[in-house]
Amino acid sequence: EVQLVESGGGLVQPGGSLRLSCAASGFTLRSYWMHWVRQSPGQGLVWVSRISSDGRTTTYADSVKGRFTISRDDAKNTLYMQMNSLRAEDTAVYYCARSGGAYNLWGQGTLVTVSS
Amino acid sequence: DIVMTQSPDSLAVSLGERATINCKSSQTVLYSSNNKDGLAWYQQKPGQPPKLLIYWASTREFGVPDRFSGSGSGTDFTLTISSLQAEDVAVYYCQQYYSSPLTFGGGTKVEIK
Repeated sequence: EVQLVESGGGLVQPGGSLRLSCAASGFTLRSYWMHWVRQSPGQGLVWVSRISSDGRTTTYADSVKGRFTISRDDAKNTLYMQMNSLRAEDTAVYYCARSGGAYNLWGQGTLVTVSS
Repeated sequence: DIVMTQSPDSLAVSLGERATINCKSSQTVLYSSNNKDGLAWYQQKPGQPPKLLIYWASTREFGVPDRFSGSGSGTDFTLTISSLQAEDVAVYYCQQYYSSPLTFGGGTKVEIK
């Protein structure tokens, strides 16, 4: 079955770190650009970051630049997001998404809560 | 950044009636390479991830019912649900994938009248 499964979310204090994972099955990650999108409680969708199919190009939203790092392990067919210096405003459900231009496959999301 | 503006924020439509959602981009999202607009529509139901409905502004994703259609070009786009069904209650988002940062509209909540 073609799917994406996120994990790694949880409760973290401001200034803390988390690493999100997105395990792909049924297809090869390195064939696609992959993205992270987040959704704060009751709010809309916001693009966070992307990585190219060859892994050489990464791009970030201004709000996370310098704090978040997107990466990929081809052997594990898994996408990651290392999140450092977390802030309250980073609280959201984080989705990984496969891009074929538009996002044609989404994970179920993982909730990150930044609070003391 | 390209700003995507959706209207209305919400609408209530009777079962079997037409629902129309508009999306305006602050600049063109037309790819010169294929003469297609990099505009997608997603449906999100509570507690679920978004689901792709339409891409290239008017191409229906595989398995999406034909009551969903996308139209428009340049900077003005429309999602139409021709005959609203109970299972169509959701929030709908437009998105441009023409340039980074990829941006979404604010969403339109569709309810049954």
